[in-house]
Amino acid sequence: NAGVTQTPKFRVLKTGQSMTLLCAQDMNHEYMYWYRQDPGMGLRLIHYSVGEGTTAKGEVPDGYNVSRLKKQNFLLGLESAAPSQTSVYFCASSYNPSTGGLDYGYTFGSGTRLTVV
Amino acid sequence: AQSVTQPDIHITVSEGASLELRCNYSYGATPYLFWYVQSPGQGLQLLLKYFSGDTLVQGIKGFEAEFKRSQSSFNLRKPSVHWSDAAEYFCAVGARDSSYKLIFGSGTRLLVRP
Repeated sequence: NAGVTQTPKFRVLKTGQSMTLLCAQDMNHEYMYWYRQDPGMGLRLIHYSVGEGTTAKGEVPDGYNVSRLKKQNFLLGLESAAPSQTSVYFCASSYNPSTGGLDYGYTFGSGTRLTVV
Repeated sequence: AQSVTQPDIHITVSEGASLELRCNYSYGATPYLFWYVQSPGQGLQLLLKYFSGDTLVQGIKGFEAEFKRSQSSFNLRKPSVHWSDAAEYFCAVGARDSSYKLIFGSGTRLLVRP
């Protein structure tokens, strides 16, 4: 099925460990986003990309890095995990240039639940 | 910078009753506005969106929302709530720049009494 796939779905890290979350989309979308969701705070934008090879900071970028080496993949890295990064992470993508105008048709992945102990 | 406020953290309604979820936004120009719904353990699904034109927009699952520029609001409504509507609802404003990023409110959790 076409859509946004996030791996892994669950992960437990120890403080100081590193990991990479993978987001893959097969809809030829140009734009991709990483959000974190915490209780009572909604979704906050971490980083985003407006095309292959581009990245930009969102609202809460500290402690995270991203890469968009291929159009279909957007990786979120934690170099040294901290308990404050315990959260649910969502990836989203939007905008297929071949289908016309931008309509903010975000497609979300099902999320990655990360716990840092 | 844009921002979104959802003043109600929780709302409980009886099945069959009407629903209104509040959303206020801050943005320097006419915003793009959205409502998303999230069921437990799931990702977000778009309910409806407003870009321009008619200020009353219809969405999926019988939801509608009205854009009121004078009040900087975009409240979500449904005339008769079903038990399956129990979920968390997020209002979002979209940036009218090259990022096309969405900024979300903190969400309102809807509980439905049988």
